[in-house]
Amino acid sequence: AQSVTQLGSHVSVSEGALVLLRCNYSSSVPPYLFWYVQYPNQGLQLLLKYTSAATLVKGINGFEAEFKKSETSFHLTKPSAHMSDAAEYFCAVTLNQGGKLIFGQGTELSVKP
Amino acid sequence: GAVVSQHPSRVICKSGTSVKIECRSLDFQATTMFWYRQFPKKSLMLMATSNEGSKATYEQGVEKDKFLINHASLTLSTLTVTSAHPEDSSFYICSARDGIRVTNEQYFGPGTRLTVT
Repeated sequence: AQSVTQLGSHVSVSEGALVLLRCNYSSSVPPYLFWYVQYPNQGLQLLLKYTSAATLVKGINGFEAEFKKSETSFHLTKPSAHMSDAAEYFCAVTLNQGGKLIFGQGTELSVKP
Repeated sequence: GAVVSQHPSRVICKSGTSVKIECRSLDFQATTMFWYRQFPKKSLMLMATSNEGSKATYEQGVEKDKFLINHASLTLSTLTVTSAHPEDSSFYICSARDGIRVTNEQYFGPGTRLTVT
């Protein structure tokens, strides 16, 4: 069965610093991977997704993630954090088109001025 | 495009009553909708998968008689929490998959905050 592990339930960075949110997956077949952002009391917004095309995926708001099969990782990065990036971030995996999404535990990102 | 709405956004009900939450796809046909539950500071837990015109598939441990799901049209799915109790208080989020476009992306609604007193 597939699973997702997000390392670090809370990450704090200074404004302008690099953002790195870690996600490792477990899957017996090539997965589809997603990163979502959730602001307080709101639903989820898709940041980016990996669907077996390019391993480096660029998303919205300056975020990107790199699929590394050898490391079973799909870490999310942003070169320079903004205050507006403070939110909860979820990594998710599914095995096939239209399949169930399995979510990681989430990482809360705080951005200090 | 690909907008999903939920109604109501917040609801407070008394213990023992039932409450219905609607999930609508506004600009696409959703052959499949998903219902999630999220506890404070926690991840999303899939409750059930609903396909238009057929019975929902519930995840292990989710009471189908307590959480009634109906997906009667390609743009509407409803979740009814029957005989609600305080432990049912949670944030409920739906998502929908576009039935026309072949994609693995789910579009999420804004969520409904249920408080049972």
